[in-house]
Amino acid sequence: DGGITQSPKYLFRKEGQNVTLSCEQNLNHDAMYWYRQDPGQGLRLIYYSQIVNDFQKGDIAEGYSVSREKKESFPLTVTSAQKNPTAFYLCATDRNTEAFFGQGTRLTVV
Amino acid sequence: DAKTTQPTSMDCAEGRAANLPCNHSTISGNEYVYWYRQIHSQGPQYIIHGLKNNETNEMASLIITEDRKSSTLILPHATLRDTAVYYCIVRATGAGGTSYGKLTFGQGTILTVHP
Repeated sequence: DGGITQSPKYLFRKEGQNVTLSCEQNLNHDAMYWYRQDPGQGLRLIYYSQIVNDFQKGDIAEGYSVSREKKESFPLTVTSAQKNPTAFYLCATDRNTEAFFGQGTRLTVV
Repeated sequence: DAKTTQPTSMDCAEGRAANLPCNHSTISGNEYVYWYRQIHSQGPQYIIHGLKNNETNEMASLIITEDRKSSTLILPHATLRDTAVYYCIVRATGAGGTSYGKLTFGQGTILTVHP
């Protein structure tokens, strides 16, 4: 099946630890995005990448890092510098005007 | 990307048309209007997009005003499964219809369809 795979679906992290969220796509899309969503809120852009080996900060990049070594993969690391990491994280790709989203990873800091 | 303004919430009776408005008064000439929806705890789903002409697909219709400063998404016969958050986005598109630039979501409209 073509699509975007985010893993894991649920993730628990101890306070002060870094954690990496996976996003893989087999749609051959150039652009990939990471969003954060808090309860009752809209999506906020963390980072985006429009081509391999290049990425730009979104609106709330502090405390996060990304890499784009392959077209298919855009992992997001939530670092210990992120003060409120508990949230729902969504990965997306787009090409030719339509965006596609993964099913999200729910991160909880315990 | 131009910002959009949507009502926080709306209600609609099942079987009736749901009309969701969006204001985008600072839209540029090369920016399209997109609509997505998000059902609880899932990724957003694409619905429809347009530039200046009205558009229709199997899910919805999009009506864009002549000055392009506002638009309305119409779900012709709303069902309970249409209950979701609906996002209106404007975004530039380059040659050949290829989108570019970051995709930015606002707060959206919570649509509740009731029996």
